[in-house]
Amino acid sequence: QKEVEQNSGPLSVPEGAIASLNCTYSDRGSQSFFWYRQYSGKSPELIMSIYSNGDKEDGRFTAQLNKASQYVSLLIRDSQPSDSATYLCAGIAGSARQLTFGSGTQLTVLP
Amino acid sequence: NAGVTQTPKFRILKIGQSMTLQCTQDMNHNYMYWYRQDPGMGLKLIYYSVGAGITDKGEVPNGYNVSRSTTEDFPLRLELAAPSQTSVYFCASSYPLASTDTQYFGPGTRLTVL
Repeated sequence: QKEVEQNSGPLSVPEGAIASLNCTYSDRGSQSFFWYRQYSGKSPELIMSIYSNGDKEDGRFTAQLNKASQYVSLLIRDSQPSDSATYLCAGIAGSARQLTFGSGTQLTVLP
Repeated sequence: NAGVTQTPKFRILKIGQSMTLQCTQDMNHNYMYWYRQDPGMGLKLIYYSVGAGITDKGEVPNGYNVSRSTTEDFPLRLELAAPSQTSVYFCASSYPLASTDTQYFGPGTRLTVL
């Protein structure tokens, strides 16, 4: 069974700190990975995608992918209270590009 | 563009009732998906479609059916509702290209089966 595992949290960081979210996956056929942010009662919103080994930066967000270790991470620099949400890691595989989600990590940024 | 829209937003069903969750996208996306999300959990794929007339089962298809007669619409049918189907249902769509696989999600339908 294809699985995506996330550090379950919850995770609390002070405002301005770096938040580190981690994810491992079991399906070596997974080709791409995504980080979604989900506010309570809302739908998931894509914040980062990563397709190849290494780092990808977008503003305060950096995604890291290590396919040999089957590991994906998301760093949020200068965390803000508005970053408080659940972060979902997902891997994509198959001809229909199906997503397999982790259970999410709840992040709270304390003012 | 409205993106992905879902109706209804909320629904309460009694055990054994049936209903259809509607999903429409106006982005001309080929691929559409139905997920369910139980409290404190990630999303699980119920059914997906790669184009009109083509559907396939995901990880948790039991108790559900789908159809895809047009590119825009992908309704999810619940037959004989059970308490285990209490969940939030999300529809998503995408237009996979070599450079992106982004799935866009609708606002969700919160279903309670009593």
